[in-house]
Amino acid sequence: GQNIDQPTEMTATEGAIVQINCTYQTSGFNGLFWYQQHAGEAPTFLSYNVLDGLEEKGRFSSFLSRSKGYSYLLLKELQMKDSASYLCAAMDSNYQLIWGAGTKLIIKP
Amino acid sequence: GAVVSQHPSRVICKSGTSVKIECRSLDFQATTMFWYRQFPKQSLMLMATSNEGSKATYEQGVEKDKFLINHASLTLSTLTVTSAHPEDSSFYICSARERDKDYNEQFFGPGTRLTVL
Repeated sequence: GQNIDQPTEMTATEGAIVQINCTYQTSGFNGLFWYQQHAGEAPTFLSYNVLDGLEEKGRFSSFLSRSKGYSYLLLKELQMKDSASYLCAAMDSNYQLIWGAGTKLIIKP
Repeated sequence: GAVVSQHPSRVICKSGTSVKIECRSLDFQATTMFWYRQFPKQSLMLMATSNEGSKATYEQGVEKDKFLINHASLTLSTLTVTSAHPEDSSFYICSARERDKDYNEQFFGPGTRLTVL
């Protein structure tokens, strides 16, 4: 079956770095997405990886290893506004997004 | 950037009534739109995939006669929750994939919070 695993909740300190891991199993693969979702709001796009390696975009970076079915989202210089849920989603061979349950990130001062 | 709107953002209705939610791609043509439902503290659950000019494809367990989807144009899809009941109360989110784009990103609308009394 198709499955996405990511931690339920993580806590980090303002100004620090946090890495949110995601493992996936899908029928075929057309890329890995990370979305940020604040409570009561719709998800907003953060990153897309389809090739192995690290994609850096400002304070956020995303890594993919296709052979391991593994990705992580790295957030640097954490700010209080980064407190949100981070959703990992893998696109299968039918271009359907398979969603993880999300990782709730709590930032403490 | 690509913008998707939803209307209404919030709706409260009585049990047994029908509610229509609109999803519009404002600055691009969307051949495919997706309807999701999200219960508190849970992930997005895909309800159906809607392609312009054809019938929607529903996920297993989603009643097509209860959740009517119409994708009449390249910029508009509607979801009608018929005979809504309290268990239908949820956050409904649409997303759209841009036409002819190689990139597989989905652009999300702001969501509609439905409360059925």
